[in-house]
This record gives sequence, structure tokens and C-alpha cells, in this order.
Amino acid sequence: KQEVTQIPAALSVPEGENLVLNCSFTDSAIYNLQWFRQDPGKGLTSLLLIQSSQREQTSGRLNASLDKSSGRSTLYIAASQPGDSATYLCAVRLGLNMRFGAGTRLTVKP
Amino acid sequence: DAMVIQNPRYQVTQFGKPVTLSCSQTLNHNVMYWYQQKSSQAPKLLFHYYDKDFNNEADTPDNFQSRRPNTSFCFLDIRSPGLGDAAMYLCATSRDLLAGVVQETQYFGPGTRLLVL
Repeated sequence: KQEVTQIPAALSVPEGENLVLNCSFTDSAIYNLQWFRQDPGKGLTSLLLIQSSQREQTSGRLNASLDKSSGRSTLYIAASQPGDSATYLCAVRLGLNMRFGAGTRLTVKP
Repeated sequence: DAMVIQNPRYQVTQFGKPVTLSCSQTLNHNVMYWYQQKSSQAPKLLFHYYDKDFNNEADTPDNFQSRRPNTSFCFLDIRSPGLGDAAMYLCATSRDLLAGVVQETQYFGPGTRLLVL
């Protein structure tokens, strides 16, 4: 059974700092991996989707990497801003089933 | 704008009283999903429809049912809500081809927060 783990569960950084969020999964036979953002009490917003054949994806200040063989993904956020404060979830996809991690709650302090 | 819409945003029900949550989409996606998310936990897939085909997760309680009368709408029925069913319920859609081989991003609605008294 696929297990997805995100460490740390919570992270607080000062504005402007670069940071890395981690995601690990136990079964490397995934179709893709996706990073989402969730604001309190809201739905999920897709940030980046990495297909299993890809190593990384970039969007603005965000860069996500994927290492299937080691079962790891990282989300790099450059020059963090208070507006980046949210919970970040990673999810791996196998077929039509998507399994989520519990998320990392990020707080960026002004 | 094309989107995934969930109604209501907040739902209060009584213990054991049936409740229905609704989801609609203007994306014309062929796959629709229902997730349950409890506080500070990962969203958990309950079931999904691939076109008209219903797929239930093995550990989804029988208390949860779903209907998809057409491409645009999908309903989540909770037949006898218990206190443990209080959660955020998230609907999502995706356009998937070749039975999951070609997969695109899942788009989520804002969720319905269910409170059981």
C-alpha cells in the first residue's frame, strides 16, 4: 500500500528565505506526483505536476523535483513571501487513485 | 470561468439524518472524485467516477454513496451521518484518457464542511 509522508509537519520562516519542503513515498511505481496548496478552510490548488518520466517542473518561484528511485520529491520555494503561508500537500498518482500526504503547514513571517 | 462548484459550503446535520452534498463542473472532465479530509489530515479518496463507471475505494464505509446523473454533476450521499463523519468533503475532476494512462491535473472545488450534531 502506497504511503506518502511529508516532513516537517509545520515550518515557520522569515520573509525572503528560500525553503524546501519534502515528500517521500513508499512505492516508486507512480504515474505522476503533484504538489498542491491549501489555504485554511479551502479546497486544493494545483501548483506543479511532475510526470513519472520527468525530473522537475518549475513555475515562477516554485521548483519541484522528483526522484522515483528513492521515492522522494522536494518543493523549493524561492524568496518566500507572507502570501505563501498555507499548507502544502504532495500527492502521488497510480492509475486513477491519488494518495496524499498530510501536508506541511508553512508560515512566512513578515 | 470554468470551475468546480460545491454546494453548500457549510452543512450542518443531525446524527443519523441523511445528507446530500453536491458538486458540479463546467470543465467537461470525464472523471470526478470525492475526498474526505479531516482536520490536519491528508485528503482520503472515497470513490470516483470514470465516465459513468463507479469505483469505490475498498475502505469506504457503506454509509457513503454517490450518484453521477450526468457529466456535470456528482452527489455524495451520507445515509446515516455519525459524529466521525464530520469533515471537509472535497470534489475534484480531471480529464483522463486511456483509463488512467494519460493523466492530467486534478481540479478541486472549495469543499463542503460538514458538521454533525
